[in-house]
Amino acid sequence: EAGVAQSPRYKIIEKRQSVAFWCNPISGHATLYWYQQILGQGPKLLIQFQNNGVVDDSQLPKDRFSAERLKGVDSTLKIQPAKLEDSAVYLCASGPGLAADTQYFGPGTRLTVL
Amino acid sequence: DQQVKQNSPSLSVQEGRISILNCDYTNSMFDYFLWYKKYPAEGPTFLISISSIKDKNEDGRFTVFLNKSAKHLSLHIVPSQPGDSAVYFCAAVPTSGTYKYIFGTGTRLKVLA
Repeated sequence: EAGVAQSPRYKIIEKRQSVAFWCNPISGHATLYWYQQILGQGPKLLIQFQNNGVVDDSQLPKDRFSAERLKGVDSTLKIQPAKLEDSAVYLCASGPGLAADTQYFGPGTRLTVL
Repeated sequence: DQQVKQNSPSLSVQEGRISILNCDYTNSMFDYFLWYKKYPAEGPTFLISISSIKDKNEDGRFTVFLNKSAKHLSLHIVPSQPGDSAVYFCAAVPTSGTYKYIFGTGTRLKVLA
């Protein structure tokens, strides 16, 4: 079974530029999550989708971050414009359903904002 | 407001000995807990979980203990192996609402050969 795929793996941009990350979850997984992990901290949930609907986006900085999950499969997370404090690893995870089931994580995208 | 705390940023253990990683939480609404292991440049991988109706769950060399009254859980690895060297995160989940995972800050375990 293929795992969660993410691209790109690394991205370096200057502040005020835009950036987008892509995630392909495990086939059949209804729930998809985007996390931000700042160095020295644990992953923090940004947004959670159930199929193509948003379940929780309470910690998403909506003035600059946006995410979509078209057709309930792939998802993209966008930052526009980026700030220095957005430097982090962005992790995508998927799970079978909306429950305390195990979440399966992708390798992440390391973003550096200069 | 750190609801899940891992107060030891790092831990070194000799190969073959026991590793004990600790996690404390503040929210009594949490009733499902997980441990994830993370290697450099990889995403976290699930290790073991425990529901609040239990006080212990075992899987091979890994055992998780839950003390609800103290709001404390621990992960025991016996015997520790060099391949266990990684960052370990605990996560807490309220089993109502959106089942959002709240992660601790992680403990870096180094198992010395």
